[in-house]
Amino acid sequence: DQQVKQNSPSLSVQEGRISILNCDYTNSMFDYFLWYKKYPAEGPTFLISISSIKDKNEDGRFTVFLNKSAKHLSLHIVPSQPGDSAVYFCAAMEYGNKLVFGAGTILRVKS
Amino acid sequence: DGGITQSPKYLFRKEGQNVTLSCEQNLNHDAMYWYRQDPGQGLRLIYYSQIVNDFQKGDIAEGYSVSREKKESFPLTVTSAQKNPTAFYLCASSIAGGPRETQYFGPGTRLLVL
Repeated sequence: DQQVKQNSPSLSVQEGRISILNCDYTNSMFDYFLWYKKYPAEGPTFLISISSIKDKNEDGRFTVFLNKSAKHLSLHIVPSQPGDSAVYFCAAMEYGNKLVFGAGTILRVKS
Repeated sequence: DGGITQSPKYLFRKEGQNVTLSCEQNLNHDAMYWYRQDPGQGLRLIYYSQIVNDFQKGDIAEGYSVSREKKESFPLTVTSAQKNPTAFYLCASSIAGGPRETQYFGPGTRLLVL
């Protein structure tokens, strides 16, 4: 049973527009969430995280929103750039540092 | 430069053969992890180690073994008992001690069965 779900396998966005990547989770014990970006044949790179005591965290062009009641988080990228094209993984953490990953969303930013 | 290195980048395994994937970090991180990625799936935890000479099974440990004799090294052996070893293997590390430490990943090793 998938505890972290990224229901959109892919997303295509025009350069300069907003990219919104979504993630849903089922385990209410998750209290820390992360987004990773991955290029082909490389390891994931940490992007941004959010604790369950917050509902928003911003870092430059990247903002993560958390809706605990809906068990939903989203990553907003504004403005989107061609270099943002990659696979984005949502991950959730229980106490003890074990990460549970979603299946990933492929983002394509068209110039 | 601090970072995590994995070798080799590509590894071929024959039927019935054990192979070992290397993971080294010079970040002075206490915790290290091994994940497996299959097409269309997220990363799944194989084994993790919070401290030298100690490690725990993850969600899919069957057919794998690890050792943690040194802080900077966490090799993963894919044994012949692992019936479907073809995958992309990722090693990660983090500072231990806190419950919310970000994990940093190496470049990965792709294992293929001949």
